[in-house]
Amino acid sequence: QVQLQESGPGLVRPSETLSLTCAISSGYISNYYWSWIRQPPGKGLEWIANIYYTGGPSYNPSLKSRLTSSIDTSKNRFSLRLSSVTAADTAMYYCARENRATDAFDIWGQGTMVTVSS
Amino acid sequence: EIVLTQSPGTLSLSPGDRATLSCRASQSVSSTYLAWYQQRPGQAPRLLIYGASGRATGIPDRFSGSGSGTDFTLTISRLEPEDFAVYYCQQYGSSPRWTFGQGTKVEIK
Repeated sequence: QVQLQESGPGLVRPSETLSLTCAISSGYISNYYWSWIRQPPGKGLEWIANIYYTGGPSYNPSLKSRLTSSIDTSKNRFSLRLSSVTAADTAMYYCARENRATDAFDIWGQGTMVTVSS
Repeated sequence: EIVLTQSPGTLSLSPGDRATLSCRASQSVSSTYLAWYQQRPGQAPRLLIYGASGRATGIPDRFSGSGSGTDFTLTISRLEPEDFAVYYCQQYGSSPRWTFGQGTKVEIK
């Protein structure tokens, strides 16, 4: 069974850049899109970005100017950078697998909480 | 951008009751691209329904999905204690690629 594990800084200062990484169980990165989704405390879900295993990210237009996504198939992981963070970026950040067989997110990580505060 | 509106915001029911959750899209959505998720407190979302009516692996048959066009429904035939949670609908579109509804909380009455 594929497992995803997010890692992040926990606390980021306003105006700085948030960096997140999602580690994928060995051998399962190919032939899938991989996404980032966030959830502010007590609120709903927002899709942020995805990337195919060969590259070529897609971003939420509302965040696009601040996002950079990458993937490293040799290390079975993908990453996200969000620049110029504000308190509005405080959220639980999840990574998830997009399964084209179901056109849905069938595997999720447990999430990593990021707080933006000085 | 397609907006998904879920109703009601909160559903207060008892174990054994039937739950009916609605998801309405601001424009027509392909059934292929409509999914439902369950999120229990402190947990990541879990895929329940894909393609509007297909049950994901391991999902009990008390969960069912239906609908087409702009109106979709998630039905839980008989609520079990572990079903009290928040439910989200989701669609796959063009920009942004994925959007979610705001969620329906099913709480114990």
